[in-house]
Amino acid sequence: GAGVSQTPSNKVTEKGKYVELRCDPISGHTALYWYRQSLGQGPEFLIYFQGTGAADDSGLPNDRFFAVRPEGSVSTLKIQRTERGDSAVYLCASSLATGTGEQFFGPGTRLTVL
Amino acid sequence: KNEVEQSPQNLTAQEGEFITINCSYSVGISALHWLQQHPGGGIVSLFMLSSGKKKHGRLIATINIQEKHSSLHITASHPRDSAVYICAVSGNTPLVFGKGTRLSVIA
Repeated sequence: GAGVSQTPSNKVTEKGKYVELRCDPISGHTALYWYRQSLGQGPEFLIYFQGTGAADDSGLPNDRFFAVRPEGSVSTLKIQRTERGDSAVYLCASSLATGTGEQFFGPGTRLTVL
Repeated sequence: KNEVEQSPQNLTAQEGEFITINCSYSVGISALHWLQQHPGGGIVSLFMLSSGKKKHGRLIATINIQEKHSSLHITASHPRDSAVYICAVSGNTPLVFGKGTRLSVIA
């Protein structure tokens, strides 16, 4: 069956540009999570959705980062005015429910800001 | 101090060796997760446990809630086990991850 997919797999952009990263969760999964993983580090939480609403966005580093999930399925992570420090792998995961449910991860989008 | 600490950071083993990776955490949790990440970034969930021990094939995960400690064991290690193993905990907040243990198994 289809797992979590993310597009693009790689994104190279210039400092100051706007980027959108897309996540397609497993069908029927109500919870969706975004994480960021810098080189040599474990993933760090950014935001999670329960349905269409952002249940916890405390991990977003600043107001340049925003995420939406308008229909409770696909989610888009948006980064404005990108900075070199935003370069990382952005991971998406989904689960049947929030809390302690097993999360299924996508392959990630590697973002490079030049 | 990180809320989730893993040791060792890097581990090289000969094929067939028994491997142990440790995870300690400092926060209250409802579950602990062991994840495997291969080069290229894909993460696979290996175990989710809140007490005792779980076994899947050559992998065994244990947790001691009182000591806030978990171990991941790999028996009869194989080069295909080479990956980064990540411990993560969940509770009132979404997953908090350790930095991972990079395992290389040499034939």
